Amino acid sequence: DTAVSQTPKYLVTQMGNDKSIKCEQNLGHDTMYWYKQDSKKFLKIMFSYNNKELIINETVPNRFSPKSPDKAHLNLHINSLELGDSAVYFCASARGGRTEAFFGQGTRLTVV
Amino acid sequence: AQRVTQPEKLLSVFKGAPVELKCNYSYSGSPELFWYVQYSRQRLQLLLRHISRESIKGFTADLNKGETSFHLKKPFAQEEDSAMYYCALSGPGRRALTFGSGTRLQVQP
Repeated sequence: DTAVSQTPKYLVTQMGNDKSIKCEQNLGHDTMYWYKQDSKKFLKIMFSYNNKELIINETVPNRFSPKSPDKAHLNLHINSLELGDSAVYFCASARGGRTEAFFGQGTRLTVV
Repeated sequence: AQRVTQPEKLLSVFKGAPVELKCNYSYSGSPELFWYVQYSRQRLQLLLRHISRESIKGFTADLNKGETSFHLKKPFAQEEDSAMYYCALSGPGRRALTFGSGTRLQVQP
């Protein structure tokens, strides 16, 4: 009965590849997020969707494209992976109007 | 622009000692402040938020608007408190959290 789940948990891939990370929440929240945690453990917002509509798009390379097929899912697709993309990516969700966020367990992406 | 500063990367204390994890913020309006905790190999989870004014696992945090601080305190640290702690801020209309860089708390036996 995990509230926010991400797959895969670990992802190792070569430079230049395209990969996707999936996120699903069963909390009935209408806002979902992607955060990136770098090697220094710094967490930074990448994207936010509210009711399938993009509402926050921070300075992120065009190679990153979020997709929200419905309110319960927010996937992250990354094209032409680079070494600097290696990080832990966290999905989160929140009820509209409140910013207390519930986080997934993270996806550790390693680009070699 | 909103910003959250946690000046300590690592805080090491002995079991039973008091703990204070510092957090300062900059925001022009009235923010909501949070503390999140990440235990080893676990997901980030909410510890407490300033509007609740509650104590969770013995931790408290008071919002000081004059000093723009939201320090996290516990009078007697336990070994199970060892974790990464993040202070976070959200302003009205901005539907995402701005996090500090985190402080690793190590409680030694």
